[in-house]
Amino acid sequence: DTGVSQDPRHKITKRGQNVTFRCDPISEHNRLYWYRQTLGQGPEFLTYFQNEAQLEKSRLLSDRFSAERPKGSFSTLEIQRTEQGDSAMYLCASSLEGRAADTQYFGPGTRLTVL
Amino acid sequence: AQSVTQPDIHITVSEGASLELRCNYSYGATPYLFWYVQSPGQGLQLLLKYFSGDTLVQGIKGFEAEFKRSQSSFNLRKPSVHWSDAAEYFCSYNNAGNMLTFGGGTRLMVKP
Repeated sequence: DTGVSQDPRHKITKRGQNVTFRCDPISEHNRLYWYRQTLGQGPEFLTYFQNEAQLEKSRLLSDRFSAERPKGSFSTLEIQRTEQGDSAMYLCASSLEGRAADTQYFGPGTRLTVL
Repeated sequence: AQSVTQPDIHITVSEGASLELRCNYSYGATPYLFWYVQSPGQGLQLLLKYFSGDTLVQGIKGFEAEFKRSQSSFNLRKPSVHWSDAAEYFCSYNNAGNMLTFGGGTRLMVKP
């Protein structure tokens, strides 16, 4: 039983560049979530998918952020024109739809550093 | 506004001592409550969860938490701390909207 995986684990980029992160959920999980965690803070919800449908995206931080889950399996989070304030850990989680409050299992995260 | 408060930013305990990490939530109804642990540079690992029923829930690694509706609290406890418990601990809730709301975390340090 493999857990949630994320790639890459670390990304260093220059301001203004675009970056894309990938998340592979637990195989039978149909819900997938993205969170951002800045240093010394708790994770902050960004968006989530149920299968391939993006059901909540109002919390994405700006229109530079977008996420996809084209076939209802893996997901990508893209940040365009990165800014230094985008430096953070980006966490992915997945869950199996069932009870009203699904238990979310997190991946190891992708740490982004914008120079 | 709905929120989760972890009043203690840092806690230091001696190895073998007992531990209690505080968590208070602000929400109109009874939320679904979780505790996660995060080691440096890592993702979050679920320790335990409360949905309903027995207000004392057991988790992994010897942790337990007690839900107290009257105090809007969900404190995490462990009777005897091990050096490997040093990490950051996050309390969170899900209001059935599928979004987890997290507290700011409590960093636990363990003295030998």
